[in-house]
Amino acid sequence: EPEVTQTPSHQVTQMGQEVILRCVPISNHLYFYWYRQILGQKVEFLVSFYNNEISEKSEIFDDQFSVERPDGSNFTLKIRSTKLEDSAMYFCARGGRGPYNEQFFGPGTRLTVL
Amino acid sequence: AQTVTQSQPEMSVQEAETVTLSCTYDTSESDYYLFWYKQPPSRQMILVIRQEAYKQQNATENRFSVNFQKAAKSFSLKISDSQLGDAAMYFCALTTQGGSEKLVFGKGMKLTVNP
Repeated sequence: EPEVTQTPSHQVTQMGQEVILRCVPISNHLYFYWYRQILGQKVEFLVSFYNNEISEKSEIFDDQFSVERPDGSNFTLKIRSTKLEDSAMYFCARGGRGPYNEQFFGPGTRLTVL
Repeated sequence: AQTVTQSQPEMSVQEAETVTLSCTYDTSESDYYLFWYKQPPSRQMILVIRQEAYKQQNATENRFSVNFQKAAKSFSLKISDSQLGDAAMYFCALTTQGGSEKLVFGKGMKLTVNP
């Protein structure tokens, strides 16, 4: 059973359109992360979210990105005006500051910007 | 800043044999954790094994074990009795205690298992 689910599994959008990627934790956790993986490249940190606030964001996470936890459950990543270079896999991960600081990843959303 | 380096982009191994994947890292923090993640063709990121920097004993998980050399900042993964299902991308990752505890990944290594 996955720790985290993500929807949609695949999103195709036109350049300039807004997209919202969703992450749903199976159980209640305080720490969430978004990562991006451009095809064939390494996984890159975008943003971390703790107790309903951004705790750290990378230089990739510019003004076109935002994160929310609107209903205390779903955790969303919004890209306001998509660019071709936003095409990537987007992973949500949950962490719990457990004994190993491990993070468990959702299955990812594949975003294709045309 | 933390960095993780995986210098071998690809490796192959015969089924049932042993293979070692290398990883080096750099951090100025004294308290950190290291991980290996597996990414099969489905692209799901699966945690394989974890190691706390303060523990001298190398972590093991069934057929997977690590060789953690703290002074050398080296963290290699050994897969014993390789199986066809082990074929995947493998990513080494580091997180430090405190702050947002984000993961910093290496570029990954593609492992092929030959029958």
